[in-house]
Amino acid sequence: AQTVTQSQPEMSVQEAETVTLSCTYDTSESDYYLFWYKQPPSRQMILVIRQEAYKQQNATENRFSVNFQKAAKSFSLKISDSQLGDAAMYFCAYREYNTDKLIFGTGTRLQVFP
Amino acid sequence: KAGVTQTPRYLIKTRGQQVTLSCSPISGHRSVSWYQQTPGQGLQFLFEYFSETQRNKGNFPGRFSGRQFSNSRSEMNVSTLELGDSALYLCASSRGQGWDTEAFFGQGTRLTVV
Repeated sequence: AQTVTQSQPEMSVQEAETVTLSCTYDTSESDYYLFWYKQPPSRQMILVIRQEAYKQQNATENRFSVNFQKAAKSFSLKISDSQLGDAAMYFCAYREYNTDKLIFGTGTRLQVFP
Repeated sequence: KAGVTQTPRYLIKTRGQQVTLSCSPISGHRSVSWYQQTPGQGLQFLFEYFSETQRNKGNFPGRFSGRQFSNSRSEMNVSTLELGDSALYLCASSRGQGWDTEAFFGQGTRLTVV
């Protein structure tokens, strides 16, 4: 069965600095999607960025980028120029091929200090 | 366009009772998935429906059931409630056509069992 591991329960960063959140996963599949979701105190899950496993190029969305290492089964999220509004729980998720089922990691709580 | 709507937002039930939660997906979305979020177990997949058919089911007891209607709205039911069922229940919808689709989440229903 696929699993997703986030080894950092909490991280903190100074405003305008850069922070990297780690995620590893385990699967025997070759085709899949990986996601980072943000969950602010409002509890609404918001998609931050996604990566297709067959694409070697790392995904980028404005200040958010990923480092996808398929062989190492690693999928880290880098947040540049951190803002106070980035403070939230961040979940790494794996989606199986041809379903909408998401397997989530345990989350990393990110604090941003002014 | 309107997002994913979950009703009710908050619910308090007594042990042994049953509860029904509702999810209205984004217009045009045919796939609805349900997740349970608790501090201890994190985010766990409950089930996924596509065009009124259950496409995937998570590892939950039979007390948890769901269905999807022809207009893609979905309900989940929990019978014989236990204290451990207290959780945030999240619903997500997507187009569900192929796997290159994004899941959009509702704000959740907070269920408290007393």
